[in-house]
Amino acid sequence: QKEVEQNSGPLSVPEGAIASLNCTYSDRGSQSFFWYRQYSGKSPELIMSIYSNGDKEDGRFTAQLNKASQYVSLLIRDSQPSDSATYLCAVLARFGNEKLTFGTGTRLTIIP
Amino acid sequence: EAQVTQNPRYLITVTGKKLTVTCSQNMNHEYMSWYRQDPGLGLRQIYYSMNVEVTDKGDVPEGYKVSRKEKRNFPLILESPSPNQTSLYFCASSLREVPYNEQFFGPGTRLTVL
Repeated sequence: QKEVEQNSGPLSVPEGAIASLNCTYSDRGSQSFFWYRQYSGKSPELIMSIYSNGDKEDGRFTAQLNKASQYVSLLIRDSQPSDSATYLCAVLARFGNEKLTFGTGTRLTIIP
Repeated sequence: EAQVTQNPRYLITVTGKKLTVTCSQNMNHEYMSWYRQDPGLGLRQIYYSMNVEVTDKGDVPEGYKVSRKEKRNFPLILESPSPNQTSLYFCASSLREVPYNEQFFGPGTRLTVL
């Protein structure tokens, strides 16, 4: 079982709709969770970080964390063509082991 | 301007010829990391450093060395490169208070080993 799993997509969403990206992780002791966006040929850039159960909102983005289900998601409201990119989920292991593990990413395409 | 720089940006080399990829950040960050990105495998951490003279292995450290003699620099050394190290490499840095929060990535180094 992979440590961090994402559906590779591609995920196609109409402009203006909600895009939902999902990520599961295997280490129950994981402490920190991150969503990155990577445009083709560019470096990853951090969108959201989340540390406790529940929702965290930042503009059009909402991260959701459920540690009991070992599940973290990213919702993008009012999707725009500029949101078309690959979204990477990253998980920080438990204290004392500070490796950061990424999923393979979900490619999102917003259809005008 | 806050940034992470890497050099070179592109490199083609041959098997066995030692090389170093430099990484420098100007944000006074304690944490620095090296990643490689391969199609289908995603981004994988090679090494990370929590501060000067403190480094640890990530998920794929074999064939790589690092050093952290100064806070701003974190070079990646390939002592004897092999074709399976052909990849896109990223350096990144962040503050220690919340590891990897606000992690900034460099522009990437595309390495080809023939």
